[in-house]
Amino acid sequence: ILNVEQSPQSLHVQEGDSTNFTCSFPSSNFYALHWYRWETAKSPEALFVMTLNGDEKKKGRISATLNTKEGYSYLYIKGSQPEDSATYLCAFADPSSGTYKYIFGTGTRLKVLA
Amino acid sequence: EPEVTQTPSHQVTQMGQEVILRCVPISNHLYFYWYRQILGQKVEFLVSFYNNEISEKSEIFDDQFSVERPDGSNFTLKIRSTKLEDSAMYFCASSERGGTRLNNEQFFGPGTRLTVL
Repeated sequence: ILNVEQSPQSLHVQEGDSTNFTCSFPSSNFYALHWYRWETAKSPEALFVMTLNGDEKKKGRISATLNTKEGYSYLYIKGSQPEDSATYLCAFADPSSGTYKYIFGTGTRLKVLA
Repeated sequence: EPEVTQTPSHQVTQMGQEVILRCVPISNHLYFYWYRQILGQKVEFLVSFYNNEISEKSEIFDDQFSVERPDGSNFTLKIRSTKLEDSAMYFCASSERGGTRLNNEQFFGPGTRLTVL
């Protein structure tokens, strides 16, 4: 059974702080890892698709890295703002699945305090 | 920007009743999925659907559940004889599906919160 874990499960930071979260996944037979940002009552919003070992992607103040050999990805937020408050989900695309179904982590719930 | 929509946003039902959750995937997408999240637990895969048939289903997706694409736009999840433990947020997703890993990215709807009393 494939297992995807995220840490921490929740996090409170002050506005302006930088923060990072971890997603760990099976290191064998990697296909893709997805990061989503999810606010309550809204659709999870795609942030990054990570496909190659060593990938580094950036969108504004948010960036992500990927290490497929050791099975982890980091998500970084620089200078956190209250609007960054959300749950951040990582989703491992199961390569043994004919439809690349997602195996999700637990999510990291971020609260940025003004 | 195209988006996945779901209705209703919240459904309350009595145990034993049947519910139908509706989704409109992005129009040029070919693969469709249902996931659910029970409160406090991980989002978990239920079923995937392609070319008008189920491609893959999880152990959760037993005879109580069924999916259908009744027309060219809607994708539905039916739960027969709901149980208390079916209470969860149900997400629909769709993907374009193609030769690259980017094309397999799934786009999610906002979810339907199902409460079984």
